[in-house]
Order: sequence, then C-alpha cells, then structure tokens
Amino acid sequence: GAVVSQHPSWVICKSGTSVKIECRSLDFQATTMFWYRQFPKQSLMLMATSNEGSKATYEQGVEKDKFLINHASLTLSTLTVTSAHPEDSSFYICSANPTGGLDQPQHFGDGTRLSIL
Amino acid sequence: RKEVEQDPGPFNVPEGATVAFNCTYSNSASQSFFWYRQDCRKEPKLLMSVYSSGNEDGRFTAQLNRASQYISLLIRDSKLSDSATYLCVVNMFMNTGFQKLVFGTGTRLLVSP
Repeated sequence: GAVVSQHPSWVICKSGTSVKIECRSLDFQATTMFWYRQFPKQSLMLMATSNEGSKATYEQGVEKDKFLINHASLTLSTLTVTSAHPEDSSFYICSANPTGGLDQPQHFGDGTRLSIL
Repeated sequence: RKEVEQDPGPFNVPEGATVAFNCTYSNSASQSFFWYRQDCRKEPKLLMSVYSSGNEDGRFTAQLNRASQYISLLIRDSKLSDSATYLCVVNMFMNTGFQKLVFGTGTRLLVSP
C-alpha cells in the first residue's frame, strides 16, 4: 500500500533554531502533500498544502515566512520551521495519497514531535 | 459551531461490549467522510471510509446521515486493542471553491479487561 515517510521523528532544540522536516512518498508520486500541526488534546489542523513545482497554499493564520515549504520533487516535500520558539513545539504530520485528491483517504507520515527549549 | 464535532469521551467499556460514536459536521456540501484511529503520540491511521449506503468492515460499521449531517461508527465485540482515539474526518468544500480536510478532536475509547 501507499507509504509516506517522515523524518525526523523527534527534534529537541534551542529557541531560535531552524528545523527542517522531510515528508516522502515512498511508492507513489505526490503532486500534492499536506502539512498539519497537532497540539496536545487538540485535533489536527491543516497548516498548508504543498504543491510540486509551485508555491504552497497556507491556511489562514499560518505565517508563510515562518513555515517554509518546498516541494521540489514528486516524492519530497519539506517544512522548515524558521527561528523556532517554544510556542512552535507541537506534533507536525504530513499526508499524501496517490490521487492527490481529498476524496480518497490520506496516508500519513509518522509525524515529527518538535520540542523547542 | 465547530465544523466537525465529536464527543471527546473517554468512553470506558469492557471487553466484548458494543460502542458507538457520532460525529456531526456543519457543511452540507461535504462529500467524503472518514474514520481514522490515532494511538497516543502516533500518526492517524485509516480505519474506514464512510459511504452513503453505510459500510461494514469486520466488527466496524460506519453510517452516514446526510439529512442530519452526522456520521457514526459502531464497534462490536470491543477488544483491548481498540483502545485509541477515533477521529472523524470530513472533506469540506469551502466558499472559495477549494476543498479541505477537517478533523474532529477525536473520541477517546478505553476498553478494559
């Protein structure tokens, strides 16, 4: 079945550091990938839609200069949290599916737990 | 009103019990519906898609009621391994013409021996 891999699983770093998270589709091409954030005891919130070969689409309230998204190939999207601060500590998850559409189930990466000290 | 609303629970049930969760959604134009399960500190995993006619997968049955804008999940013969948070996910059509997946906060299920 379709597999999405995310790396790293855990990141602990100092305030002010920039952190890059990778999301890869291992056995299919993904022109579209999605990035979510989940705070404790809350639902997943869509941050942005990553589009291969074009700019990402950000949800309202998500700073595009803070959360840089690069979808450089059909199998890789990266999310960079720039100058991270403790309030950015969260669980970041990506998803994709072979059709690129939302009418079919999404396959999620393992998630990245980010802790900013 | 939340776009997707679920009772957070927890639902505490003994092994073998039958338990049902409901989820309501606000956007009547929504077309696709899913149930995912999420274990603590893990990524969501698809449990089942929800079809208009209702569908069943083993011990799990999903129903869609478009008129009342809710979906349900029924779990029969609960197992200890069913303990998890169950996420209701809806593909919503926004006013902008775009679609977006909206997640409920999840319903926590605890199955005890």
